[in-house]
Amino acid sequence: EPEVTQTPSHQVTQMGQEVILRCVPISNHLYFYWYRQILGQKVEFLVSFYNNEISEKSEIFDDQFSVERPDGSNFTLKIRSTKLEDSAMYFCASSNPITGGYTFGSGTRLTVV
Amino acid sequence: AQSVTQLGSHVSVSEGALVLLRCNYSSSVPPYLFWYVQYPNQGLQLLLKYTSAATLVKGINGFEAEFKKSETSFHLTKPSAHMSDAAEYFCAVRRSQGNLIFGKGTKLSVKP
Repeated sequence: EPEVTQTPSHQVTQMGQEVILRCVPISNHLYFYWYRQILGQKVEFLVSFYNNEISEKSEIFDDQFSVERPDGSNFTLKIRSTKLEDSAMYFCASSNPITGGYTFGSGTRLTVV
Repeated sequence: AQSVTQLGSHVSVSEGALVLLRCNYSSSVPPYLFWYVQYPNQGLQLLLKYTSAATLVKGINGFEAEFKKSETSFHLTKPSAHMSDAAEYFCAVRRSQGNLIFGKGTKLSVKP
């Protein structure tokens, strides 16, 4: 079963620092996503990416955030100048609308101190 | 606009009892619906999905869900709960733009 791979699994960073969360989507998937889950809350959509550009973003995804697909396999989420409230689990997902496949990675737990 | 409502933030059942987790959706187009399970400190694992084929969908670990358009529901069931089923369960609907809208989740406890 193909997997979405996320690294690192845990990251602790100081407030104000920049972090980059990495994801390797499933190779034949076309759409890529980032979601966020603050501890004890529901999963929230951040951004979707298709054909090398952002296709949709939520109100959470402000100028502090950016995404990139720097090569043919990686998909990254950059958070500039992290804040305490950015502490959350961040999930990457990829999908193939033709097959209906929609797969999440195991997440990166970000702790901002 | 699509949305999902999960009734009951916490459900407790005895081992061997029926599990029923409720999900109602709102969608202006034929929906794609999903159930995910999340074990403590872990990621989201797909249990099953409805993509407009058979209305009764069978998933992993003995779970199934029935799509009922007239009731706008997609409830998750399992005939006999096992201790290992204790987890949080999320229902989600896929928007036409592709991203998922999640419910608030239902935490399932299984008593011995």
